[in-house]
Amino acid sequence: EVQLVESGGGLVQPGGSLRLSCAASGFTFSDHYMDWVRQAPGKGLEWVGLIKNKGNTYTTDYAASVKGRFTISRDDSKKSLYLQMNSLKTEDTAVYYCTREQLVSPNAFDIWGQGTTVTVSS
Amino acid sequence: QLVLTQSPSASASLGASVKVTCTLSNGPTSYAIAWHQQQPGKGPRYLMKLNSDGRYKKGDGIPDRFSGSSSGAERYLTISRLQSEDEADYYCQSWGAGIQVFGGGTKLTVL
Repeated sequence: EVQLVESGGGLVQPGGSLRLSCAASGFTFSDHYMDWVRQAPGKGLEWVGLIKNKGNTYTTDYAASVKGRFTISRDDSKKSLYLQMNSLKTEDTAVYYCTREQLVSPNAFDIWGQGTTVTVSS
Repeated sequence: QLVLTQSPSASASLGASVKVTCTLSNGPTSYAIAWHQQQPGKGPRYLMKLNSDGRYKKGDGIPDRFSGSSSGAERYLTISRLQSEDEADYYCQSWGAGIQVFGGGTKLTVL
């Protein structure tokens, strides 16, 4: 079964850090661009950033709202995607989803994880 | 930068059909999009990829009641024979080099 499972969410104080993980299964993880998308409470979907595959030198791109604070990485040997979040702000409170882009990228998201909740509050 | 615009809400009766619209602006109208469904309390689910020529390819397990079409800068999601479980938020998504964009979402109410 093709699946993405996020973990690592929780409560963190403003200015703090958190690292999210996403475990992939059921497909050739290394072939795909992978993205993070978030959804603040009661709001729509917001793209956070992406990491390309090895053939595209694992290049990353980020939304302006998180650039310089968030870092996306991947470990193809572990079929895992990561989101390192630093200098967290209250407006980063959201459910964070791991997504897979269809081949050939850039392309549609065709697989979504179930999400992990991040709450930034004092 | 590409902008996707959706009406905030739509409604239709049980068993009827409804068309949800996504309008592309600030970029080529030849862009493909994807449609995603988010039922209450759940994560998003991929429905289909829709090209500018109206061809579409659905995700695994998506019922035949869901279809797509295009006209100029407009991309449509049509749901036929509405069921109660179709009550959800629907998002369009498009992409470019190093960026992904979502529409604001359309909340569909099944009456």
